[in-house]
Amino acid sequence: DSGVTQTPKHLITATGQRVTLRCSPRSGDLSVYWYQQSLDQGLQFLIQYYNGEERAKGNILERFSAQQFPDLHSELNLSSLELGDSALYFCASSVEGHGANVLTFGAGSRLTVL
Amino acid sequence: ELKVEQNPLFLSMQEGKNYTIYCNYSTTSDRLYWYRQDPGKSLESLFVLLSNGAVKQEGRLMASLDTKARLSTLHITAAVHDLSATYFCAGHDMRFGAGTRLTVKP
Repeated sequence: DSGVTQTPKHLITATGQRVTLRCSPRSGDLSVYWYQQSLDQGLQFLIQYYNGEERAKGNILERFSAQQFPDLHSELNLSSLELGDSALYFCASSVEGHGANVLTFGAGSRLTVL
Repeated sequence: ELKVEQNPLFLSMQEGKNYTIYCNYSTTSDRLYWYRQDPGKSLESLFVLLSNGAVKQEGRLMASLDTKARLSTLHITAAVHDLSATYFCAGHDMRFGAGTRLTVKP
C-alpha cells in the first residue's frame, strides 16, 4: 500500500456518460497529480494541484475537470465520455517544495467506456 | 514545457547481459527521475538525480545525470528476469517519457 488511495479501481460505463474518479493523497502530501495511461499514448500528464490550487495543466481535455478539496483529496471528472477515454487513470502525490519531490502513485482507476 | 525522449522504446535482452536506456530532455531541468512499472501495476520510484554528475545505484541498476548534455542513463548490469518492466524517466515538471519496455529472457 503506497498510501495514495484511488477509487474506484474499475469502472465500466457507456459513451456520453460522466464519471468521477477520486484520489486521497499520502498523509502530509500537499500536491496531487493526475495522469492518463492508455496503450498507445503512454503516460500523459493531465493536471496538478497544490494545496487546493491548480499548479500546472497538461494535456487535459475540456471535457475533463479536476479539483482539490480543503482536506486535500482530489477528484477528476470526466464527462461526455468517448471510447478513446478508456484508460488507466493514475493519481500521484508529493510533498512538493525543496528537495527530491518524489511522486507516490496510487494503484490507478481503470475506466472502460463501451 | 520540458520534453523527455527515451530510447529505446522496446528492449529485449538476455539474462546476464548489460544494456543502457537513454533519457534525453529538451530544456534545463535541475532533477531527473526514474520510475519502474510492472505489467498491470502502478509506478514506483527508482531514483532521483539532483545534480550534474549524480550517480545512484540500486542492485543491478545504476542511473546517472549529465545536465550539460541534458542526458540521463539507466544502466542495467547482468540482467535478470525480475528486471522485466517498463522504465520511465521524468524531469522536474513530472512529465514522463514514453517509457522503455524491457523484457529479459533466459
